[in-house]
Amino acid sequence: NAGVMQNPRHLVRRRGQEARLRCSPMKGHSHVYWYRQLPEEGLKFMVYLQKENIIDESGMPKERFSAEFPKEGPSILRIQQVVRGDSAAYFCASSPPSGTGAYEQYFGPGTRLTVT
Amino acid sequence: AQKVTQAQTEISVVEKEDVTLDCVYETRDTTYYLFWYKQPPSGELVFLIRRNSFDEQNEISGRYSWNFQKSTSSFNFTITASQVVDSAVYFCALSPFCNQAGTALIFGKGTTLSVSS
Repeated sequence: NAGVMQNPRHLVRRRGQEARLRCSPMKGHSHVYWYRQLPEEGLKFMVYLQKENIIDESGMPKERFSAEFPKEGPSILRIQQVVRGDSAAYFCASSPPSGTGAYEQYFGPGTRLTVT
Repeated sequence: AQKVTQAQTEISVVEKEDVTLDCVYETRDTTYYLFWYKQPPSGELVFLIRRNSFDEQNEISGRYSWNFQKSTSSFNFTITASQVVDSAVYFCALSPFCNQAGTALIFGKGTTLSVSS
C-alpha cells in the first residue's frame, strides 16, 4: 500500500524561476494538505485541498504561491519567481474522506527546495 | 489563538535511559486532537499517535507512552529504554475537532533527541 508520494525529492532553482512540487495522496485519500518547514522551525500549514477545490488557503503567501488538486493527477504546489526565502522543505499530507473517523494526516517524504 | 510549545529544543541521552519530551498546548476549543510525529534524519514524517481531547487515558505502545493532562494542557511523550534508532526530531501537533477529515495541524517547533551508544 503505497504511501504519500512527492516528487521531486530535491529541487534546485535559480532566483526568478518557477518551482512545481507534486504530491500524490495515499490510495483512497481525497484530502491533501501542504506544509512548509523552514530551517530550525516546525511545520507551517499552507493549504488544504480536496479534488478540484481549495478548502482552506489561510497559510498561503498572498503572492507567487498557488496550489491545485485536479480531478485527475497529483496535487501541484506552484511557486512563481522563487526567492532565496522560499528555500525550505515542503511536505504534503493526505487523509481519508470525511466520515471514516480517521483524522490522521499521513505525510510524504517532502521536497527540499533550494533557491540559488 | 492556538499554539503548541515544545520547550525542549534538544535532548541528549545515553542508550537505555528513559526520556520525556514535553508538549504544552493552547486552545479555546473544548474538543480537539493532539498528535505526535517523528522526523528521523532521513527527513520523512512518521505518525506516532493521535489523542482526542475527551479521552484522557494514558496510552502505551511498546517503549512509547503518552501522558495527556487536560488540566495542565500537556501531552507529554516518554520513551523508555531509549535506543540509537530513536534519534530524531519529534513534533507535537494540535488540530481542532472537525467532523470532516480536513483541518490544519498546528505544530510545535520540535525537540531534537540524540541517543548515543
